[in-house]
Amino acid sequence: GAVVSQHPSRVICKSGTSVKIECRSLDFQATTMFWYRQFPKQSLMLMATSNEGSKATYEQGVEKDKFLINHASLTLSTLTVTSAHPEDSSFYICSAREVLDRTDTQYFGPGTRLTVL
Amino acid sequence: AQSVTQLGSHVSVSEGALVLLRCNYSSSVPPYLFWYVQYPNQGLQLLLKYTTGATLVKGINGFEAEFKKSETSFHLTKPSAHMSDAAEYFCAVTYTGGFKTIFGAGTRLFVKA
Repeated sequence: GAVVSQHPSRVICKSGTSVKIECRSLDFQATTMFWYRQFPKQSLMLMATSNEGSKATYEQGVEKDKFLINHASLTLSTLTVTSAHPEDSSFYICSAREVLDRTDTQYFGPGTRLTVL
Repeated sequence: AQSVTQLGSHVSVSEGALVLLRCNYSSSVPPYLFWYVQYPNQGLQLLLKYTTGATLVKGINGFEAEFKKSETSFHLTKPSAHMSDAAEYFCAVTYTGGFKTIFGAGTRLFVKA
């Protein structure tokens, strides 16, 4: 199947700094990508839907000014956690949507572990 | 409201025994249904999915699931558990209207030797 990568896989930062996470679809074009957050031993919560060339759609309760999403190309979406704090520490997972003639599939990235000190 | 319910946050089986992980969804329109597996500190791997057609879906690693519309269920089964099956399993639903995916809370599968 198609491959989605995330970079970095792990990041540790100081409180107050900003962190950028990249999500790339390696062998297909994705007009839509999704960003999820997963707390330890919990399920994935959709944060936002990222659409190429337009503003992201954020889920209720997600601060768009804190979690900046940019989907500048058909293969890359970035999530920037601005002014990170310890409570932002989490596992962030992206997915990319591949639409072909008869199929419509999401492929998930391997995730990024963010630790804010 | 749309939701996905996975019965049992933890399931423990012996190696070689049947695996049954339960998933029920609420929906007013036919959804797409998925099962994913997640190993520690890793992303999600698709086990199988149902979109249309045959209601019994076979996936990777010997897993299969059956879509039962009348019961709004999509339970995951495997005839014989293997130690390597120990992981977290997520049932997910995507509604064709907006393609948002809603995940269940997850079920951790333990396999005893």
